[in-house]
Amino acid sequence: DAKTTQPTSMDCAEGRAANLPCNHSTISGNEYVYWYRQIHSQGPQYIIHGLKNNETNEMASLIITEDRKSSTLILPHATLRDTAVYYCIVRVLGADSWGKLQFGAGTQVVVTP
Amino acid sequence: DVKVTQSSRYLVKRTGEKVFLECVQDMDHENMFWYRQDPGLGLRLIYFSYDVKMKEKGDIPEGYSVSREKKERFSLILESASTNQTSMYLCASSSVLTARGRETQYFGPGTRLLVL
Repeated sequence: DAKTTQPTSMDCAEGRAANLPCNHSTISGNEYVYWYRQIHSQGPQYIIHGLKNNETNEMASLIITEDRKSSTLILPHATLRDTAVYYCIVRVLGADSWGKLQFGAGTQVVVTP
Repeated sequence: DVKVTQSSRYLVKRTGEKVFLECVQDMDHENMFWYRQDPGLGLRLIYFSYDVKMKEKGDIPEGYSVSREKKERFSLILESASTNQTSMYLCASSSVLTARGRETQYFGPGTRLLVL
């Protein structure tokens, strides 16, 4: 399995950019990087995903290194409502793992006023 | 917007009771999933279904069964609840219209089950 490593926690000031790193050094060439977040007592929420190129949507940007061994999720202007646990996930492909998301421990992000 | 709803946010049951957790999605998704989430263990897949009446075991199916009689509804059943099934249960759905391995799963709000 391709596994991910994330810092346990991170603080960010409101209005500033939050840069969340993720290492996935054993990722395979056709495996996507997904980011989800989970606000306390809610279900996980999809943020963004990518393969090789950088991606941007209305929530965040995803920067993937050229060797694909790491990525960074960027929340451009963090708000208090962005306080959550952020999960970096590498999709495990294969006949017996189709559709399965393997969530790790994630990064607890606290946005402070 | 995709909406996944779960029948209860909080549930308290007694050991040995039969428990039904219901999940409904309104986006005509083919795939539906049941996870449980426990502190320190993350999310673990219990069962998933890729079509009506079809089901596949996940990582921890023991003690659970599922039912998918309609496309929009996926039920998780605890035949005889035990205290070690106290957990947060999360339902998710996704579409097969995107390439395999790329589909996005949308989660419901979760059901916090306490078995006494």
